[in-house]
Amino acid sequence: ETGVTQTPRHLVMGMTNKKSLKCEQHLGHNAMYWYKQSAKKPLELMFVYSLEERVENNSVPSRFSPECPNSSHLFLHLHTLQPEDSALYLCASSQEPQNGFLRVFGQGTRLTVV
Amino acid sequence: KNEVEQSPQNLTAQEGEFITINCSYSVGISALHWLQQHPGGGIVSLFMLSSGKKKHGRLIATINIQEKHSSLHITASHPRDSAVYICAVSTNSGNTPLVFGKGTRLSVIA
Repeated sequence: ETGVTQTPRHLVMGMTNKKSLKCEQHLGHNAMYWYKQSAKKPLELMFVYSLEERVENNSVPSRFSPECPNSSHLFLHLHTLQPEDSALYLCASSQEPQNGFLRVFGQGTRLTVV
Repeated sequence: KNEVEQSPQNLTAQEGEFITINCSYSVGISALHWLQQHPGGGIVSLFMLSSGKKKHGRLIATINIQEKHSSLHITASHPRDSAVYICAVSTNSGNTPLVFGKGTRLSVIA
């Protein structure tokens, strides 16, 4: 148990579906992150929420829509995805500024778009 | 060219061997991370360092700021060490995104 829980662990969805990924942290952290890990590519930061406010989104396509209702929960809403969006989506949290850059990662959701 | 380069990309070792994974970066940093990603996808932070050397069990991480280089060493390797090891750096404080290397896939054979 890492303290950061992601659900579901695996998801297969069609290009016309709408689904959501969920992340929950039990560490009392004040910042949460969504990362995308595609095959043979470095991890890419998608979104950062600090104190429930989005601070960075790195030009992610609008078919990915994050939501952070409180400091413990983070969602990634997905709609009309493309097959190239198939990847491992990782959530992480940290306590800023005290922890600097030390992030705790969830187990990830492996997404397949068909 | 990625700002963070790791070598080797793949590494196979016999149980008990001493392992070194290297990370070079091309930007000024304030911290460097070593992460371990297990086959199921979960990622664990191993070290965060900005100078010198850190040790945890059989793992040792070193960094040379002047040479912009870090190494992760595993002593007395074991099959359970098989994972992808990822180097990441950050150039500023706060929530600036980490820049990740592509990872080194390590397989330790009994």
